[in-house]
Amino acid sequence: KAGVTQTPRYLIKTRGQQVTLSCSPISGHRSVSWYQQTPGQGLQFLFEYFSETQRNKGNFPGRFSGRQFSNSRSEMNVSTLELGDSALYLCASSLGGGRSSYEQYFGPGTRLTVT
Amino acid sequence: DQQVKQNSPSLSVQEGRISILNCDYTNSMFDYFLWYKKYPAEGPTFLISISSIKDKNEDGRFTVFLNKSAKHLSLHIVPSQPGDSAVYFCAASAGGAGSYQLTFGKGTKLSVIP
Repeated sequence: KAGVTQTPRYLIKTRGQQVTLSCSPISGHRSVSWYQQTPGQGLQFLFEYFSETQRNKGNFPGRFSGRQFSNSRSEMNVSTLELGDSALYLCASSLGGGRSSYEQYFGPGTRLTVT
Repeated sequence: DQQVKQNSPSLSVQEGRISILNCDYTNSMFDYFLWYKKYPAEGPTFLISISSIKDKNEDGRFTVFLNKSAKHLSLHIVPSQPGDSAVYFCAASAGGAGSYQLTFGKGTKLSVIP
């Protein structure tokens, strides 16, 4: 079974631009979560989608948004990029129902650099 | 306010010996705990988990212990192998409260010396 895939793997953007990251979950997984990893803050939860609906949201500004499609694939968008948005963005998928939601499987991440 | 803490940023262990990684948490709503292993330039890999209704879970060389009264969990790796060298993250979830988001510690870098 293929794992979680994320595209692109690396991205360089300029301050003020916007960016869209993509995530394809493990086949059969219906929940997709996004995390930001930075050296200072560690891994922080952005949001979770289940059946095309945002189920949970972390403490990030409204510039960070996401969506999920009917095939469970998810995209994450960051508008008006700031230097502090430079990070590794990780997507994780899980089966999504009850206790099966706990165990999340991560993709390799997208390394975003904002200059 | 860090709800999940890994107080040791790094740990060095000789090959063949036991590695013990520790994690403390403050949120009593957490009811499920997980350990992930991460190599550079890769996403975290799920290792082992434990529900709050248990105090021990074992999977091969990996055992996780949970002490609810102390809000403490630990991961034991026996015997340690050089391939175990990685950053280990402890994570917790409060799914019983309706949220499956994972709250992570900042990680412990384990180095297993041949």
